[in-house]
Amino acid sequence: EVQLVESGGGLVQPGGSLRLSCAASGFSISRYTMNWVRQAPGKGLEWVSYSSYSGSTIYYAESVRGRFTVSRDTGKNALVLQMNSLRVADTAVYYCAKDMYPYDYVRGPSRNKEGFYYYAMDVWGLGTTVIVS
Amino acid sequence: SYVLTQPPSVSVAPGQTASIACGGDNIDSKSVHWYQQKTGQAPVLVVSDDTDRPSGIPERFSGSNAGDTATLTITRVEAGDEADYYCQVWDGSGERWVFGGGTKLTVL
Repeated sequence: EVQLVESGGGLVQPGGSLRLSCAASGFSISRYTMNWVRQAPGKGLEWVSYSSYSGSTIYYAESVRGRFTVSRDTGKNALVLQMNSLRVADTAVYYCAKDMYPYDYVRGPSRNKEGFYYYAMDVWGLGTTVIVS
Repeated sequence: SYVLTQPPSVSVAPGQTASIACGGDNIDSKSVHWYQQKTGQAPVLVVSDDTDRPSGIPERFSGSNAGDTATLTITRVEAGDEADYYCQVWDGSGERWVFGGGTKLTVL
């Protein structure tokens, strides 16, 4: 069964650091782009970071750029999010999610759609809670 | 930066059809994905690439995308469909994923 399990959340003071981990099972993260998405209490979904299958292409939301770093621990088949200089506004449930298709999936023509080769997120973890206070 | 706009809430009686809109500038030039999130649970993908339904998602869920509006349609709505629904696109110029603000579907 394909599964993602996040861990590492907790209570931290403003300015502090936390390291989140997302352990994958049932598939190899080396074949999939992975994302972190967060959800503040009572709010909507906010994308945080993107890591291509190889880890060579990484994007961050403007709100976390320069403070958060995403990486891969291929030996543990896990995605990691290092969060530094935490702010109260970073309080949220943090989810990791995998791309619907692996990097070598042959998709066919783009239907003239921007983002056609940026795949939907088909498996999500249950999330880990980060409280900055 | 690219913005997706959703109505905060939609209400529908059981057995009726719910339509949830997602507005964005020339959104039909983008692939739109839809997620369902029930209270206290992780999001679940219900429609990908405007119209595709992942395995295990009932045929009652469908999507469309034209002009400046993408739409998630749920026919024969059931009490179990009550949830928040989010649309999502890739913003290539900003190199980022964008989510709509979410729509709370209430089954009366």
